[in-house]
Formats: sequence, C-alpha cells, structure tokens
Amino acid sequence: ELVLTQSPGTLSLSPGERATLSCRASQSVTSSYLAWYQQKPGQAPRLLIYGASSRATGIPDRFSGSESGTDFTLTISRLEPEDFAVYYCQHWTFGQGTNVEIK
Amino acid sequence: EVQLVESGGGLVQPGGSLRLSCAASGFTVKTNYMSWVRQAPGKGLEWVSVIYSAGTTYYADSVKGRFTISRHNSKNTLYLEMNSLRAEDTAVYFCARSNDSTLNLDYWGQGTLVTVSS
Repeated sequence: ELVLTQSPGTLSLSPGERATLSCRASQSVTSSYLAWYQQKPGQAPRLLIYGASSRATGIPDRFSGSESGTDFTLTISRLEPEDFAVYYCQHWTFGQGTNVEIK
Repeated sequence: EVQLVESGGGLVQPGGSLRLSCAASGFTVKTNYMSWVRQAPGKGLEWVSVIYSAGTTYYADSVKGRFTISRHNSKNTLYLEMNSLRAEDTAVYFCARSNDSTLNLDYWGQGTLVTVSS
C-alpha cells in the first residue's frame, strides 16, 4: 500500500520568504499521477500542480513542482499573504498535509 | 462553467445508511473520472472512491464492501451509497472530477457533512 509522507508538518514563514514542501512516496510511483493541492479553512481543496510539475489553470508561476525518484517537492518562491494554507500531495491517496503558517 | 453541488449529508445513527448526491453542470459526468474524497473534522483528506468513464469502480480499503459509487447519466449526477456507517465515517464528503485515471482532481464541490452518532 502506497504511503505519502509530507514534511514538515508545519512550516512557519513570513510573507516574501521561500517555502519548500516535501512529499516522499513509500514506493516507486508514476509521476504523472502526483498532484499538489492547497486548502484554506472552510473551502474545498484547489489543484495547484499535476503530473508532478505542471501548473493547473490559473495558478501563479511562484508555485512549482519537482521530483527526484520517490521524493516530490512543492516550492512557493515568494509567499504571498493568500498562500498561507494547508498543502497536500496526492497519488490517488493523500499525504497528511503541511500547514504553512505566518511566522 | 463547471460546477459540482453535493447534497444528502446529515446525522445518521451507527449502522445506518445514507446516499450522497453530486449534481454536475458544465461537463458530462459519464465521460470523466469522478471521485469522492472525505475529510474528518480537523483532519486531512482521504480519497474514498472513483468511478471511471468506462464504469469501473475502486474503493479505499476503509469503505470497501460498505460504500457504493454510481452515476445517473441522464441526470448528470454522481452518487455515494453508504451503508453500515460508523463513527469514523463522520466527515465532510467532497465530489471531484478528473480527466483521467491519474485522479488529478481539477474541480471540486463544496462538500456535504455526514455525522454518524447516536
């Protein structure tokens, strides 16, 4: 059974800083299936990245995804106030999430 | 405009049943891959089930044998029939769309809350 482990659990940063979120798969996966989502309180998740590195429609280019073997990374180059949220990776199953909070 | 609207949530006793609906507009349910994803209060996302455009269905182990996903093509609506409900099934249930079997979910509904409690 595939397990996606996200780290860190919480990331405390200031606006303008760079955020690096990690998602490690417990086994080899197909990168075309790897997606990242953003979720704000009381809202449905929003697709940010699909196929490990492609931005979804309307997603700003400060969001980027990359992969190295079974390790996947979501990078937010410069945090905007609206970027503070919980982020999930997914390959059918979801990771446990990373909370990006204001420092 | 693509829109997904869930309904059917509510309070149900342990062991009871409930059917959730997800009415779609702006696209055709039967030509897409439609999923249910749930989120327990204060917890993360859990993928629950998918129905492929060809009709093939898959379930998470936690709901296999108790939940059934289906669709009504002429109503352009997705369903989730939930039986033998347990307290741990308490969650907001979202329906979501994918173009293919990657299940990269590009459109989501707003969710409907299911509470299993006596």
